[in-house]
Amino acid sequence: SQTIHQWPATLVQPVGSPLSLECTVEGTSNPNLYWYRQAAGRGLQLLFYSVGIGQISSEVPQNLSASRPQDRQFILSSKKLLLSDSGFYLCAWSIGAGVYGYTFGSGTRLTVV
Amino acid sequence: RKEVEQDPGPFNVPEGATVAFNCTYSNSASQSFFWYRQDCRKEPKLLMSVYSSGNEDGRFTAQLNRASQYISLLIRDSKLSDSATYLCVVNKANAGNNRKLIWGLGTSLAVNP
Repeated sequence: SQTIHQWPATLVQPVGSPLSLECTVEGTSNPNLYWYRQAAGRGLQLLFYSVGIGQISSEVPQNLSASRPQDRQFILSSKKLLLSDSGFYLCAWSIGAGVYGYTFGSGTRLTVV
Repeated sequence: RKEVEQDPGPFNVPEGATVAFNCTYSNSASQSFFWYRQDCRKEPKLLMSVYSSGNEDGRFTAQLNRASQYISLLIRDSKLSDSATYLCVVNKANAGNNRKLIWGLGTSLAVNP
C-alpha cells in the first residue's frame, strides 16, 4: 500500500533563517506531488505541484521554492523565512491529476518568530 | 464568485441528529467531486468521492446535481466523532487542460452529547 511521510511535525524558526521540509512517498511510482499551505483559520492554498522529477509548477509567487530530486521525494525550501510563512504545510500525492483525490501527509506546523 | 463555496457553519447538532451540507461549484466542466474531513490541526482525509448517481457509505450519503452545480453530504445518526471540518473538493481542467483540485473553505460540524 502507498504511504506518504512528511517531517518534521512541528518547527519553530526565526525570521531570516532557511527552511527545508521533506516529503517522501512509498508504494507507488511517478506520482503527482503537491505542497499546500493552510494558514490559521483559512483554506488550503496550493503552493507547488510536480508531475515528474525536476518538473515544478508554482501556483503563487512567494518566498518559497520546491524541488523534486527523485521520483518519490518532494522538498519545500526557503532561503530566508518571513513571519508570513507561518502555517500548516501539507504534502500530498495523487495518481495522475487527482481523479481519485489526493492523499496527504500528516503536515508540518511551522511557526516563524 | 468563488469556484467552490460552502457554508462555513458552525453546525451544532445533538448526537443522533441528521445533518446536511451543501456545496456549490462554478465550473460546469468539473468532472470529479469529493468530500474530505479535516480534524483540528490534522491533515485532510478523503471521506468519499461523489458519483453522478449518488453514493452511500454507512451513515454518509453524497449527492451530485450537475444541472444546479452543487454537491451535498448527508450524515445520519451523528456521532461525537463526526465533529470536524468537512471540505468540498472539485477537480476541474484549467486553461491548459491540466486538471487540479479546487478546495472549499470547509463547513465546521460540532456534534454535542
